[in-house]
Amino acid sequence: EDQVTQSPEALRLQEGESSSLNCSYTVSGLRGLFWYRQDPGKGPEFLFTLYSAGEEKEKERLKATLTKKESFLHITAPKPEDSATYLCAVRDTGFQKLVFGTGTRLLVSP
Amino acid sequence: GAGVSQSPSNKVTEKGKDVELRCDPISGHTALYWYRQSLGQGLEFLIYFQGNSAPDKSGLPSDRFSAERTGGSVSTLTIQRTQQEDSAVYLCASSPAQGGYGYTFGSGTRLTVV
Repeated sequence: EDQVTQSPEALRLQEGESSSLNCSYTVSGLRGLFWYRQDPGKGPEFLFTLYSAGEEKEKERLKATLTKKESFLHITAPKPEDSATYLCAVRDTGFQKLVFGTGTRLLVSP
Repeated sequence: GAGVSQSPSNKVTEKGKDVELRCDPISGHTALYWYRQSLGQGLEFLIYFQGNSAPDKSGLPSDRFSAERTGGSVSTLTIQRTQQEDSAVYLCASSPAQGGYGYTFGSGTRLTVV
């Protein structure tokens, strides 16, 4: 059974204090690892898809990396507007659905 | 439309009543997904549509839950004889093909069963 575990559950940073969020996964065959951002009262907003170990993608202050067992979302010099819940999900071979982790709640203080 | 639209945004219903939740996907998106998000839980897959057919219904928690999609567009999720444990945010997502590329989610329907 596909499993996704995210850590930490919650993270509090000062503005400008860089850090990383972790997503560990277990799948039979990875057909994509997805990162989403979710703000309170809204649906998840797509950030990145990674397909193979060693792949990296960047968007503004966010950089996602992938290994065979985990993915990291690196946040460089975060700003208060980066505060949100960050969700990781995987898609397994032969399936269309995404399996989500429970997310990391990030709070960036000014 | 520009995004995935869900209605109503909030629904309060009495235990035992039936409810219908609606999802209007992005025009041209052939794949549509329903998820459920309970407080403190991750997103739980319910059902996947490709066109009007549902090749994966494996996440529907009981036979009280059903969904349909018509015209390859609008989808309705129906919950019969609602229970308190059905209280959650129900999210709909669509994508342009079976590839699951960066699903676009709606804002969800918050269902409260009292």
